[in-house]
Amino acid sequence: LAKTTQPISMDSYEGQEVNITCSHNNIATNDYITWYQQFPSQGPRFIIQGYKTKVTNEVASLFIPADRKSSTLSLPRVSLSDTAVYYCLDTNAGKSTFGDGTTLTVKP
Amino acid sequence: GAGVSQSPRYKVAKRGQDVALRCDPISGHVSLFWYQQALGQGPEFLTYFQNEAQLDKSGLPSDRFFAERPEGSVSTLKIQRTQQEDSAVYLCASSLGPGPTDTQYFGPGTRLTVL
Repeated sequence: LAKTTQPISMDSYEGQEVNITCSHNNIATNDYITWYQQFPSQGPRFIIQGYKTKVTNEVASLFIPADRKSSTLSLPRVSLSDTAVYYCLDTNAGKSTFGDGTTLTVKP
Repeated sequence: GAGVSQSPRYKVAKRGQDVALRCDPISGHVSLFWYQQALGQGPEFLTYFQNEAQLDKSGLPSDRFFAERPEGSVSTLKIQRTQQEDSAVYLCASSLGPGPTDTQYFGPGTRLTVL
């Protein structure tokens, strides 16, 4: 499982929609795309997972194009509490490979 | 129900000492993972258990690192003769099954500082 590529950091303001894009250049056919959120001094927390097209849950949406070489995590109307590091991964049974994540800073 | 717990939360060791880090996964979870997270970096995979079987230990950085899960529940990560480069947060995660869509639930981690 190869590391994905994502921006190191992003800034936003409260109430805005935030889109974080990730490159999955080496994703395998059986891999899923999973996003995690991590706050300081805590373990990562699952946000959303998908295989292709669009997935939506109560906190986020995930957009995956047909070629699955990228994914976009969409956070609607962010608040200060969404300030965290966000990781995108190619996942399969067993080993998961995290990259360095995107640090999202939400400003008032 | 209770999440993944890890103990101790903080550990300070002198270089050369042995340490043991404990992980209590969510009850009934088949899969258990250990990761190492250095400051400012993402978690790095260390090893993976399915029940008591250690299926992948490719991420263990040296033979000083040893993990076990003898009864398929609690797991211990042991580091022998600790070195300063072992200083990191050690994260444990568990998932209900071994399937590719089974969500990993992480514990809060153990912060190890080697002096």
